[in-house]
Amino acid sequence: DTGVSQNPRHKITKRGQNVTFRCDPISEHNRLYWYRQTLGQGPEFLTYFQNEAQLEKSRLLSDRFSAERPKGSFSTLEIQRTEQGDSAMYLCASSSTLPGQIFPANYGYTFGSGTRLTVV
Amino acid sequence: AQTVTQSQPEMSVQEAETVTLSCTYDTSESDYYLFWYKQPPSRQMILVIRQEAYKQQNATENRFSVNFQKAAKSFSLKISDSQLGDAAMYFCAYRSRETSGSRLTFGEGTQLTVNP
Repeated sequence: DTGVSQNPRHKITKRGQNVTFRCDPISEHNRLYWYRQTLGQGPEFLTYFQNEAQLEKSRLLSDRFSAERPKGSFSTLEIQRTEQGDSAMYLCASSSTLPGQIFPANYGYTFGSGTRLTVV
Repeated sequence: AQTVTQSQPEMSVQEAETVTLSCTYDTSESDYYLFWYKQPPSRQMILVIRQEAYKQQNATENRFSVNFQKAAKSFSLKISDSQLGDAAMYFCAYRSRETSGSRLTFGEGTQLTVNP
């Protein structure tokens, strides 16, 4: 397992189009998080899953955003009717609450390299 | 809600010298974790060091150490013997132990430049 993988690395889309990003977490990790990072700022929490259940959503996650984690493995983040304000880096991270796992939830997470979205 | 503030947008240090990055936070909770993350141009956030609030001893990881002042809600990062590879954006982050979810709250970041 080589860590958290995010695809694509870059996405340029026209305003109004829909986009979908994918995150593959560390396979043993049961928690998966999505963050958004705008230029020069720290990441902001969007949502997180424990296994397949989406347990928390930030108010930043408008109704144009939807995230899924079918079967508790990979996750997708979809943005519908993109706006220029959606341009940002979208970061995925995973962690484990299971005993004996590396990076338990009381540590930090393992982050992916992010997907940079540009809406033109 | 918790907030994290990094008041130094940019810092620079000479190679082999020591630099300290500042972080303050605001919370009403007594049990939490604090972290420093490094984000190089490759964009991947890398955990540098963590501190449990219930531990009085400051965390240390090789050349990286923290000065945790719980009463003052201050959590600074000291990098000793700075190396060119330390150049990156550094983020301070907070995580509650009292609420579920384990979301991280990040500061605005400090861009560290290491001069040869």
